[in-house]
Amino acid sequence: DVKVTQSSRYLVKRTGEKVFLECVQDMDHENMFWYRQDPGLGLRLIYFSYDVKMKEKGDIPEGYSVSREKKERFSLILESASTNQTSMYLCASRDPGGSVGAFFGQGTRLTVV
Amino acid sequence: KQEVTQIPAALSVPEGENLVLNCSFTDSAIYNLQWFRQDPGKGLTSLLLIQSSQREQTSGRLNASLDKSSGRSTLYIAASQPGDSATYLCAVRPQAGTALIFGKGTTLSVSS
Repeated sequence: DVKVTQSSRYLVKRTGEKVFLECVQDMDHENMFWYRQDPGLGLRLIYFSYDVKMKEKGDIPEGYSVSREKKERFSLILESASTNQTSMYLCASRDPGGSVGAFFGQGTRLTVV
Repeated sequence: KQEVTQIPAALSVPEGENLVLNCSFTDSAIYNLQWFRQDPGKGLTSLLLIQSSQREQTSGRLNASLDKSSGRSTLYIAASQPGDSATYLCAVRPQAGTALIFGKGTTLSVSS
């Protein structure tokens, strides 16, 4: 079974802190994604990585950056956390061939105080 | 820009009922469509994937159909059970190299 693992289920950080959310997948997928999910807004794409060191901005990249130095790991970085970044963050991976679809991690519930 | 809509936003049914969840999308040129289930506070679990060339996919009590020309997909759940209570999300992959675009989901409650 494909496994996508996010480093934390719950995280509480202070305003202004630099925050790292880590995601690891074990199926050698080239594509990886970060979404955030908010009530009433649904899932919104933050960043998309086609392959190692390749990235593309999604719909809401402001205040975030990403790093993908190895194929299996995709990190989301909040440069200076703000309260409006309190959200559920979801990581996903996918074989670009598209025969089996995308797989998601368990989510990280981030609270910025 | 592709938009995905799911109606209704919430649905309550008694156990044993057959039900249909709806998903519509504005641009019929899609690569594939995927249905997910999400339990409260958890990540997404993939249920079914339909490629653009397919009309339907089945897994157990679940059947998903796709009508690209009308921009619609349905998820049929047979003989619903309380364990089916969750939020169901529809997501469209517009092209091969693009990310998924999600609807806001239908929250299903099945009472015993």
